Amino acid sequence: DADVTQTPRNRITKTGKRIMLECSQTKGHDRMYWYRQDPGLGLRLIYYSFDVKDINKGEISDGYSVSRQAQAKFSLSLESAIPNQTALYFCATSDLGTGRETQYFGPGTRLLVL
Amino acid sequence: DQQVKQNSPSLSVQEGRISILNCDYTNSMFDYFLWYKKYPAEGPTFLISISSIKDKNEDGRFTVFLNKSAKHLSLHIVPSQPGDSAVYFCAAYFDGGNQFYFGTGTSLTVIP
Repeated sequence: DADVTQTPRNRITKTGKRIMLECSQTKGHDRMYWYRQDPGLGLRLIYYSFDVKDINKGEISDGYSVSRQAQAKFSLSLESAIPNQTALYFCATSDLGTGRETQYFGPGTRLLVL
Repeated sequence: DQQVKQNSPSLSVQEGRISILNCDYTNSMFDYFLWYKKYPAEGPTFLISISSIKDKNEDGRFTVFLNKSAKHLSLHIVPSQPGDSAVYFCAAYFDGGNQFYFGTGTSLTVIP
């Protein structure tokens, strides 16, 4: 079984709809992250969480919110989806430490906003 | 502004030859760098890292070189194999930044 799982793997939605992307991990890591990947822009950090009570904004948090329901679960919500949020979304985890620890990525969720 | 850039979106190399992937950065505070490899329909996976106290790190066929004065790092794959065909991302980190900054990615194709 995969250590970091994301659901759904693919999603098509309409402008203005609220959607949630979910991430679960079995690695026992404290830190979790949400990234988006766009062509020509690479991976950009949306939100990160160092533990259940700690949530931080990344480079591009506008239009997104997150919830850390448990150590193993980190959800990303788009409150009112817009077409430029069409992207490939990745969840990642890492061990607690200096911050330089290797991140382990889920398989990604491909989101299309019409 | 993109602090970490990979100026070559794609690269094709013959099997057995050397692949050289390049990465440039603008923030002189970066002191730790990694390369990730990504296959289609999968998430990125860690490949190799280098600290700024070194200028080279090797792991089997993969070597990363760091030129701090030029703010440049490169990944060498020797010999290249068809299974190396993937997208490669470089990433950089500095204390206080609280995050890795990723490059734009280079798609490597190794031709059999």
